[in-house]
Amino acid sequence: QKEVEQNSGPLSVPEGAIASLNCTYSDRGSQSFFWYRQYSGKSPELIMFIYSNGDKEDGRFTAQLNKASQYVSLLIRDSQPSDSATYLCAVRATYKYIFGTGTRLKVLA
Amino acid sequence: DTGVSQDPRHKITKRGQNVTFRCDPISEHNRLYWYRQTLGQGPEFLTYFQNEAQLEKSRLLSDRFSAERPKGSFSTLEIQRTEQGDSAMYLCASSYSSTSGYEQYFGPGTRLTVT
Repeated sequence: QKEVEQNSGPLSVPEGAIASLNCTYSDRGSQSFFWYRQYSGKSPELIMFIYSNGDKEDGRFTAQLNKASQYVSLLIRDSQPSDSATYLCAVRATYKYIFGTGTRLKVLA
Repeated sequence: DTGVSQDPRHKITKRGQNVTFRCDPISEHNRLYWYRQTLGQGPEFLTYFQNEAQLEKSRLLSDRFSAERPKGSFSTLEIQRTEQGDSAMYLCASSYSSTSGYEQYFGPGTRLTVT
């Protein structure tokens, strides 16, 4: 079992819709959880982080964490074509960060 | 603060040559990481520094790879006797250990092509 799992996609959503991206992790000692956006050929850009169970909202983005189910998700409201990218989930335990392979999101105009 | 910077942004080298990459972290960040990323994969951990101390190096790294962070500021990653399998994006990231979530920020990366 991979330490951090994501569906590779592509996940296609129409413009204006909600995109839902999911991530599961195996280490119950994980302490913080991150979502990065990565455009093709570019480096990852931090979108959000969360470390407590529940929801955290920042603009059009909401991160959701359920430690009991070892599950973290990212919702993108009012999706725009510019949101088309690969979204990486990362999990931190102590100093180490483990990344998933990413989900490719396509927002269709 | 302009964020994490890396130099060079692109490097083309012939197999067997040595290459060195530089990373300048965000100034107050005491943790510095090197990752390697290939197409379709997430960043893969290579090594980690807290201040000037290298605290972990991936078991996946061969002895051809070495990293330093003198005085706890910038860091260098050297690859000796490069192989075609070393072609990848090399990413540097930094974080500060006293922020709430230990957010990690990436530099723009160095894309290495070994011919």
